[in-house]
Amino acid sequence: GQQLNQSPQSMFIQEGEDVSMNCTSSSIFNTWLWYKQEPGEGPVLLIALYKAGELTSNGRLTAQFGITRKDSFLNISASIPSDVGIYFCAGQEETSGSRLTFGEGTQLTVNP
Amino acid sequence: ETGVTQTPRHLVMGMTNKKSLKCEQHLGHNAMYWYKQSAKKPLELMFVYSLEERVENNSVPSRFSPECPNSSHLFLHLHTLQPEDSALYLCASSPGRSSYNEQFFGPGTRLTVL
Repeated sequence: GQQLNQSPQSMFIQEGEDVSMNCTSSSIFNTWLWYKQEPGEGPVLLIALYKAGELTSNGRLTAQFGITRKDSFLNISASIPSDVGIYFCAGQEETSGSRLTFGEGTQLTVNP
Repeated sequence: ETGVTQTPRHLVMGMTNKKSLKCEQHLGHNAMYWYKQSAKKPLELMFVYSLEERVENNSVPSRFSPECPNSSHLFLHLHTLQPEDSALYLCASSPGRSSYNEQFFGPGTRLTVL
């Protein structure tokens, strides 16, 4: 079945640094979503993207829907300790109805 | 607060027990989902309900039995589980339209099978 390749798997950074992570797929998606999950909680939606080339920000977070519709990236600027968590990408294919395909997640650690 | 609640938050059960997980969404959505999240694995979709009708069952063992009595409530009935079923079980809901169909998750139930 469809798989999403999310990288990197983990990141260890210093507070104040910028972060970038991305997802790629072998199929075309018509929606890309980025979620953050903290320990003991469910994923929380950060950003939703619906058009190729779309660039959307949510505070210090910026995500883009790749032109080819097969990739997306998430940037976090000026990281802070509360950015710690697992970040997941998710994509929706045109033919999949409401089904989402999830990446394996990027574990982010921010050192104060 | 995401508008999706799950109870209980933690559950420990023996292999011969019967228990149920409950999910409720307060977002007016038409679709609800059960996912299993195990360590080091992507989220695994288990069941999808749209307008109270099951539209997807991803080869889930029969020891997991979903129930959707209305568009706001979703249950997962558990019986004779195995230790490898221990995981975080997440419920999600979405508007149910083909576009702008973001899924919103509950906090999950951490299940441990002894």
